[in-house]
Amino acid sequence: EPEVTQTPSHQVTQMGQEVILRCVPISNHLYFYWYRQILGQKVEFLVSFYNNEISEKSEIFDDQFSVERPDGSNFTLKIRSTKLEDSAMYFCASSKWQGPSNQPQHFGDGTRLSIL
Amino acid sequence: KQEVTQIPAALSVPEGENLVLNCSFTDSAIYNLQWFRQDPGKGLTSLLLIQSSQREQTSGRLNASLDKSSGRSTLYIAASQPGDSATYLCAVVGNTPLVFGKGTRLSVIA
Repeated sequence: EPEVTQTPSHQVTQMGQEVILRCVPISNHLYFYWYRQILGQKVEFLVSFYNNEISEKSEIFDDQFSVERPDGSNFTLKIRSTKLEDSAMYFCASSKWQGPSNQPQHFGDGTRLSIL
Repeated sequence: KQEVTQIPAALSVPEGENLVLNCSFTDSAIYNLQWFRQDPGKGLTSLLLIQSSQREQTSGRLNASLDKSSGRSTLYIAASQPGDSATYLCAVVGNTPLVFGKGTRLSVIA
């Protein structure tokens, strides 16, 4: 069964450094998402992406974050200047459609980001 | 603002028992509700999706129900097995992308 793949599985970065998290969504999916889960807390929505542009973002997704689909397969999340509080598990997800549909979101295994 | 609550936070049952996990949400204007399983340190595996027009969905030993007007969903697991041990998350889609509950951590004891 097709799946969402994320790399790396674990990223350790010094505070203030830039980090790029990578995702390959399921090939025939049209909507792409990033979520994060701080240890012990709920999974939180960051951003959704459709037709090569952001369709929605949360208040967490401030100017230090950006997303890009650099080619036909990859979907990336960049954190420009990392802070200690960015330490979390970051999940990529994709779906065929969004909204009132029977199309579920499929999640990758996540990238654990540790900021030192 | 949509809020999703899951009760109980943790549950421990002996193998073979049937069990029910509960999920409630504050805004009934949802498109669908999705149940996920999360193993420690792993991603989210989609178990069932119920559209707002549906009352229940079944997959194997799992049955999810939805009462949109009262803002409730349940996940019923029949004949539980040790391999069912995981955290179960529910999430709703409305005018915003998925809003998650904090999950129920299930332990099935052999």
